Amino acid sequence: EAQVTQNPRYLITVTGKKLTVTCSQNMNHEYMSWYRQDPGLGLRQIYYSMNVEVTDKGDVPEGYKVSRKEKRNFPLILESPSPNQTSLYFCASSKSGGNTGELFFGEGSRLTVL
Amino acid sequence: GQNIDQPTEMTATEGAIVQINCTYQTSGFNGLFWYQQHAGEAPTFLSYNVLDGLEEKGRFSSFLSRSKGYSYLLLKELQMKDSASYLCAVKPGGYQKVTFGIGTKLQVIP
Repeated sequence: EAQVTQNPRYLITVTGKKLTVTCSQNMNHEYMSWYRQDPGLGLRQIYYSMNVEVTDKGDVPEGYKVSRKEKRNFPLILESPSPNQTSLYFCASSKSGGNTGELFFGEGSRLTVL
Repeated sequence: GQNIDQPTEMTATEGAIVQINCTYQTSGFNGLFWYQQHAGEAPTFLSYNVLDGLEEKGRFSSFLSRSKGYSYLLLKELQMKDSASYLCAVKPGGYQKVTFGIGTKLQVIP
């Protein structure tokens, strides 16, 4: 089954404790992206990757890091989480050059930083 | 910058038709998407418009006017399961920068 898988789905952590949210897709998509979703603000792009070893900042990259060492994986790293990073996070992928470039989303990771 | 506007909330009756509008101002244009998102779930793709006109897909249709920076999503024969948020998203130019509106929360009532 074609899917985007994120882990963990739910996490409560404390300020300053490094964490990684993993994202993996099995559709051989070149493009992957991370979004955060907050009430009243909608989906905002954090980072994206056009292909292996190619990443770039989205609209709200501060406090986050990413890497793209393999085509299928695109982890999101919070080196020193803060309460304002409490949010619902979505990973998404799509096929570059596709007719529509529709995004396929993971199920989301709800993060709470105390 | 990019600016996408859509109503925050709408209510419609089961069996009726509802139109959700979206206006956008972007530095370029390379397509407009509509996604559906049920509460607590991931967005799922509904439609894509890159040329002016109406795209129909079952009970859902999407319209685009590039000159007006305007799109709408039309939902016919509303069902209770259509209660969800509907996200308008624009690909301004270049593949990567898909920008989302805040979404329209649609409530379908009996």
